[in-house]
Amino acid sequence: DGGITQSPKYLFRKEGQNVTLSCEQNLNHDAMYWYRQDPGQGLRLIYYSQIVNDFQKGDIAEGYSVSREKKESFPLTVTSAQKNPTAFYLCASNAPARGEQFFGPGTRLTVL
Amino acid sequence: EDQVTQSPEALRLQEGESSSLNCSYTVSGLRGLFWYRQDPGKGPEFLFTLYSAGEEKEKERLKATLTKKESFLHITAPKPEDSATYLCAVQPPEANSKLTFGKGITLSVRP
Repeated sequence: DGGITQSPKYLFRKEGQNVTLSCEQNLNHDAMYWYRQDPGQGLRLIYYSQIVNDFQKGDIAEGYSVSREKKESFPLTVTSAQKNPTAFYLCASNAPARGEQFFGPGTRLTVL
Repeated sequence: EDQVTQSPEALRLQEGESSSLNCSYTVSGLRGLFWYRQDPGKGPEFLFTLYSAGEEKEKERLKATLTKKESFLHITAPKPEDSATYLCAVQPPEANSKLTFGKGITLSVRP
């Protein structure tokens, strides 16, 4: 079955640590996205990538970094510079010229 | 700046009590409007895409409609399993442009 997988489902981080969230898709989609979801707020775009080896900052990129070395994979690193990283992180992808994005199951990150 | 406002923030219905969820948008042209369903602790599930005013899409008890300023998600005779948060998003006309999401409407259907 085609889809998007995210791991881990839950992640705990100590202050000052960098952590990396995994996102993999087998839908053969070119574009991939990372969103952050906080209670009472809409999805906010962190980074996105339209093609391998290229990515752009979204609306809240500070304190985050990404890479896109393979079409299938778009990992997100939450660095120690992100002051309030506790949130639900969602990865999405879509096909070229298609607006609808398909989402993974999410990773809940908690800072201890 | 593109804006999406969803109302009400929360809606409680009795099983079988039909209602509508509203998504108002401000965007410089519309490439597409999208509805998603999100269950607690899970990723959003794609429901519908609407492209132009007057368009309607249906799926089971859900029907989505679109005007030039807003979209409605009509829920007919809802069941408890329809309880979820419903998200609306818009995409401006440029190819590969980003989506802007509303904050969502939390629907609770009591048996």
